[in-house]
Amino acid sequence: AQTVTQSQPEMSVQEAETVTLSCTYDTSESDYYLFWYKQPPSRQMILVIRQEAYKQQNATENRFSVNFQKAAKSFSLKISDSQLGDAAMYFCAFSNDYKLSFGAGTTVTVRA
Amino acid sequence: KAGVTQTPRYLIKTRGQQVTLSCSPISGHRSVSWYQQTPGQGLQFLFEYFSETQRNKGNFPGRFSGRQFSNSRSEMNVSTLELGDSALYLCASSAIGAEPQHFGDGTRLSIL
Repeated sequence: AQTVTQSQPEMSVQEAETVTLSCTYDTSESDYYLFWYKQPPSRQMILVIRQEAYKQQNATENRFSVNFQKAAKSFSLKISDSQLGDAAMYFCAFSNDYKLSFGAGTTVTVRA
Repeated sequence: KAGVTQTPRYLIKTRGQQVTLSCSPISGHRSVSWYQQTPGQGLQFLFEYFSETQRNKGNFPGRFSGRQFSNSRSEMNVSTLELGDSALYLCASSAIGAEPQHFGDGTRLSIL
């Protein structure tokens, strides 16, 4: 079974600054996907960024980027130039065998 | 393109009753997954369907069941409701069970 660990229950960041969310996972698989999802209070899960395990290059989506360390089984998310709209719960997720395994989430607060 | 649609958005039931939740995937998506989200257990995978076949199932009692129709719409049913079944139930769809999964707004189920 895959486990996903997010060790930071809460993170706070000043508007326009950078915050990094950590995620580690445990698996014996070699082919899988990793994701970061965002869940604002409106409760819809929104895909932020994805990473294929076979790709060494770290994924980037505008202000969001990841640091994927396959050997260390680490998958952190960096939010640059933080905006008020980034405030939400962020979930790291591991995917294989047609299912997602989620971490416990990190609540991100953005200070104006 | 319309997103994943879940109905109803809110539902209140009493212990012992049964409930059916509905999910319409994004047009063209053939894989539908269900997740339960609670404050205590976080996000947990229930099951995944593709072309009317269940391909994976999470660790939930037999009271939780689902099905998928030929038009890819899916329903999940919970029988003999318990207080602990109170949760946000999220449905997600993807093209072939590959990634990423796109989520609906969820159904908030409250058991009295």
